[in-house]
Amino acid sequence: DAKTTQPTSMDCAEGRAANLPCNHSTISGNEYVYWYRQIHSQGPQYIIHGLKNNETNEMASLIITEDRKSSTLILPHATLRDTAVYYCIVRVEGGETSGSRLTFGEGTQLTVNP
Amino acid sequence: AAGVIQSPRHLIKEKRETATLKCYPIPRHDTVYWYQQGPGQDPQFLISFYEKMQSDKGSIPDRFSAQQFSDYHSELNMSSLELGDSALYFCASRDTGTSEYEQYFGPGTRLTVT
Repeated sequence: DAKTTQPTSMDCAEGRAANLPCNHSTISGNEYVYWYRQIHSQGPQYIIHGLKNNETNEMASLIITEDRKSSTLILPHATLRDTAVYYCIVRVEGGETSGSRLTFGEGTQLTVNP
Repeated sequence: AAGVIQSPRHLIKEKRETATLKCYPIPRHDTVYWYQQGPGQDPQFLISFYEKMQSDKGSIPDRFSAQQFSDYHSELNMSSLELGDSALYFCASRDTGTSEYEQYFGPGTRLTVT
């Protein structure tokens, strides 16, 4: 799986958009970009994933650059409950035989301030 | 919606004792993953099972073993416990029969070895 690089920490004001960057310059053509978050000591929570196109769901938007070497997770209106460690994970997807373990690197601690 | 259930939620053991952690995946999910998260660390993949067979193995000590049963629940058995085994242990499940690739995590079991 490709290695990812994320800032160690970020701050965001409540109600504003939080933009979390991730570099994955060695990503392969068949690797997806996943975002998970972990609120203090809780189980990690899936947020969103994508391959090439930008994606949006009820939680967030994922913007992937055209060369796929970086991406940005956008929380459009951050709330205090969005304070968490956000992990960007790149991996091949497929059936169980392809190895679907999640490799958590050093994510970004997002702190949403009142 | 049903979530992943882990038991017990908290466990205190002494050095050299054994411990068994249980995981009940979301109904109809056929794959179970185990992760270990030490204090101040990121989750690390231990082992996974697909349709009751081991499908992937990470940095799991030889003192640990796991299996998935016919009802798809899984147990992580830990013997000769060491102080360094104190950690949060997360179980996650996934349904590989759908196009959903995300893993759903349980609340974790906090193991303290004294």
